[in-house]
Amino acid sequence: DVKVTQSSRYLVKRTGEKVFLECVQDMDHENMFWYRQDPGLGLRLIYFSYDVKMKEKGDIPEGYSVSREKKERFSLILESASTNQTSMYLCASSYQVTDTQYFGPGTRLTVL
Amino acid sequence: RKEVEQDPGPFNVPEGATVAFNCTYSNSASQSFFWYRQDCRKEPKLLMSVYSSGNEDGRFTAQLNRASQYISLLIRDSKLSDSATYLCVVNRANDYKLSFGAGTTVTVRA
Repeated sequence: DVKVTQSSRYLVKRTGEKVFLECVQDMDHENMFWYRQDPGLGLRLIYFSYDVKMKEKGDIPEGYSVSREKKERFSLILESASTNQTSMYLCASSYQVTDTQYFGPGTRLTVL
Repeated sequence: RKEVEQDPGPFNVPEGATVAFNCTYSNSASQSFFWYRQDCRKEPKLLMSVYSSGNEDGRFTAQLNRASQYISLLIRDSKLSDSATYLCVVNRANDYKLSFGAGTTVTVRA
């Protein structure tokens, strides 16, 4: 079974703090994704990585950056957290871009 | 227009009932279609892929209508454990990534 883990289930940060969210997958998948999920909006793609050190902006990259130094690990960074970044953050991985994506349990981030 | 649109529901049905709902997609060139299930405060998980010929997995049946650009999910003999939000997922033809609908909530009552 594919396993995707995320570093925290719940996180509370203050405005202006730098926030790191980490994701690890154990299936040797090339592709990894970061989404945020907000009520009524569905999942929105923040960033995508198709290989180590390779990344692409998704639909809402503003205020975020990513890092992929190892194949199994994909990190999302909020350079200076703002209240409008309060959300559920979901990491996913897949073998091919159009394949089934396997999700981590999510991190519910609250920015005060 | 959103790439994937779903009726948010909720669909409240008694145990044993049949419930069906659709999802429309905007890009006629999309090729991959899925239904995911998301339980409250949990991550989405693949329920089933949707094939051109339609497919069935136990009590769940998925259909694709390319002419009208929608996919459907039908749940027969609903169980309490079917209560969840069902996400419609379609690949984007321009970059092949997946677009997720906002979900349809189904609540099965005893």
